[in-house]
Amino acid sequence: DARVTQTPRHKVTEMGQEVTMRCQPILGHNTVFWYRQTMMQGLELLAYFRNRAPLDDSGMPKDRFSAEMPDATLATLKIQPSEPRDSAVYFCASGWWTGRNTEAFFGQGTRLTVV
Amino acid sequence: AQTVTQSQPEMSVQEAETVTLSCTYDTSESDYYLFWYKQPPSRQMILVIRQEAYKQQNATENRFSVNFQKAAKSFSLKISDSQLGDAAMYFCAYRRRGNNDMRFGAGTRLTVKP
Repeated sequence: DARVTQTPRHKVTEMGQEVTMRCQPILGHNTVFWYRQTMMQGLELLAYFRNRAPLDDSGMPKDRFSAEMPDATLATLKIQPSEPRDSAVYFCASGWWTGRNTEAFFGQGTRLTVV
Repeated sequence: AQTVTQSQPEMSVQEAETVTLSCTYDTSESDYYLFWYKQPPSRQMILVIRQEAYKQQNATENRFSVNFQKAAKSFSLKISDSQLGDAAMYFCAYRRRGNNDMRFGAGTRLTVKP
């Protein structure tokens, strides 16, 4: 049963601390997305990669957020330093780009609380 | 800019009955994709159904079907024979062909009453 795996499921941290969220995409998928879900903004695309290369990170606050794919089996989203307004659920999704479409399969998300 | 609007923050349906969730979108594009995702309390975002804009036929997946009205930019989801497990947040989403930025609506919380 292939699925996108995200760790941790929950994270509570103090303001100013570094937070790293991890994602294992479905094996064979060549596109990875990071989304953020909040009550106020809903679901927003932060960044996405294809074949491990970042294609678009315009939705991400670059002063404190960074996204990487060290290898094909791991994507990371890092916040440094974290702030209370970063509290949200962060979703990773992966898919296979067909040239027309990418069907995105979501992980279960990381609920981040910054106090 | 493309926007997706779900005008029903909450809906409820009796078990075994039918419910329709509304979604409208704004775009100047002609080739795009529309999706309905289900998010149960587990938080997992699950793809329910997908519609390609160039296809006139409405997509159907078992008890789930859509009413795609391209001219009206409307994409409603019909759930037939509702089950308790259908209770969740439902998100309508839009993506332009060749673009990976999927735009989501604010969601509709569906309650299923036994």
